[in-house]
Amino acid sequence: AQTVTQSQPEMSVQEAETVTLSCTYDTSENNYYLFWYKQPPSRQMILVIRQEAYKQQNATENRFSVNFQKAAKSFSLKISDSQLGDTAMYFCAFMRGFGNEKLTFGTGTRLTIIP
Amino acid sequence: DSGVTQTPKHLITATGQRVTLRCSPRSGDLSVYWYQQSLDQGLQFLIQYYNGEERAKGNILERFSAQQFPDLHSELNLSSLELGDSALYFCASSQVAGGEEKLFFGSGTQLSVL
Repeated sequence: AQTVTQSQPEMSVQEAETVTLSCTYDTSENNYYLFWYKQPPSRQMILVIRQEAYKQQNATENRFSVNFQKAAKSFSLKISDSQLGDTAMYFCAFMRGFGNEKLTFGTGTRLTIIP
Repeated sequence: DSGVTQTPKHLITATGQRVTLRCSPRSGDLSVYWYQQSLDQGLQFLIQYYNGEERAKGNILERFSAQQFPDLHSELNLSSLELGDSALYFCASSQVAGGEEKLFFGSGTQLSVL
């Protein structure tokens, strides 16, 4: 079974600074996807970024980027120029195979952006 | 807006009762997933349906059941409710898109069992 570990329950950073959220996972699969989801106070689950394990290039989406280290089974999220709207719970998630599979989530990191 | 619709948004009921949560996936999505989010258990996968058939089962209690109808909407039935069933229940949908796999979540149904 796959497991996803987020070792930082809470983090805070000043507005405009850069913050990195950590995630490690354990799997015996070779093909899989990794995701970061954001859950703001509205409780909506919003996809932030995704990474295919077979791609070596790290995914980026505007201010959000990942550092994917497949051998180390590490998948961290970097938020640059943080904004107040980035305040949320962030969940790392794993999906095995090539799709159409369930997501396994980590326990989340509560990120607070300080004005 | 993710395109996944869940109703109702809030549900308050008593122990021992039965409720039905409804989910309409995004247009064209064949897979529907149900998740439970609670303070003590985090985000737990309950069950997945693909084009009307059960595809995967997670930590779903025997008191809970689900189905996906021919129009692809899904319902999650929770019976003999207990206080511990109070949680946010999410539905998500996806389609097999060959390398563009993503799950889109609805806004959830907040269930309170009193």
